[in-house]
Amino acid sequence: SQTIHQWPATLVQPVGSPLSLECTVEGTSNPNLYWYRQAAGRGLQLLFYSVGIGQISSEVPQNLSASRPQDRQFILSSKKLLLSDSGFYLCAWSVGGGQGVPIGGYTFGSGTRLTVV
Amino acid sequence: QKEVEQDPGPLSVPEGAIVSLNCTYSNSAFQYFMWYRQYSRKGPELLMYTYSSGNKEDGRFTAQVDKSSKYISLFIRDSQPSDSATYLCAMKDYGQNFVFGPGTRLSVLP
Repeated sequence: SQTIHQWPATLVQPVGSPLSLECTVEGTSNPNLYWYRQAAGRGLQLLFYSVGIGQISSEVPQNLSASRPQDRQFILSSKKLLLSDSGFYLCAWSVGGGQGVPIGGYTFGSGTRLTVV
Repeated sequence: QKEVEQDPGPLSVPEGAIVSLNCTYSNSAFQYFMWYRQYSRKGPELLMYTYSSGNKEDGRFTAQVDKSSKYISLFIRDSQPSDSATYLCAMKDYGQNFVFGPGTRLSVLP
């Protein structure tokens, strides 16, 4: 069966520090991978998605970047965190279909709560 | 107008009640409709997935879609305290557009 791992679960970082959040998927090949941010009362905001190694699409211009160095690994990064980067970050995967949109539902990781202080 | 609107709640009901959760949307291109359940400090998990108008039932959960009114609902029968969570609707078109509602927080009181 497929599983998705996301870490860390909680992170407190000072303003201006770098960020690296990692997500890995097991039990599938060539998945579509996604990074979302969830803010209270504002729903899920798609940040990045990837349909293959090295292929990253950005949905929202911001202080963050994403990389996919391996088929089942997705990394969210920042060189210098802002206060506004605080939030709940979710990684998700779906069956690959050549497009950055799920054919079925997403499977989400357990999330990382980031607080920038 | 937001593409997908959902009453944020919180909605509190007694155990055993029938719960109705709703979303409205403005984009008539949406064709696929989903409901996710999210427990506190966890990622959302897919509950129901439907394509056409009408009802789809899965145990105590029923998803209803009315494309003519651009309105979808999730009904929970015999609600349990374990149903306490945030419920997010989501919808997509045939292309690249996939949108989540902001979620409704539900509390089922024992």
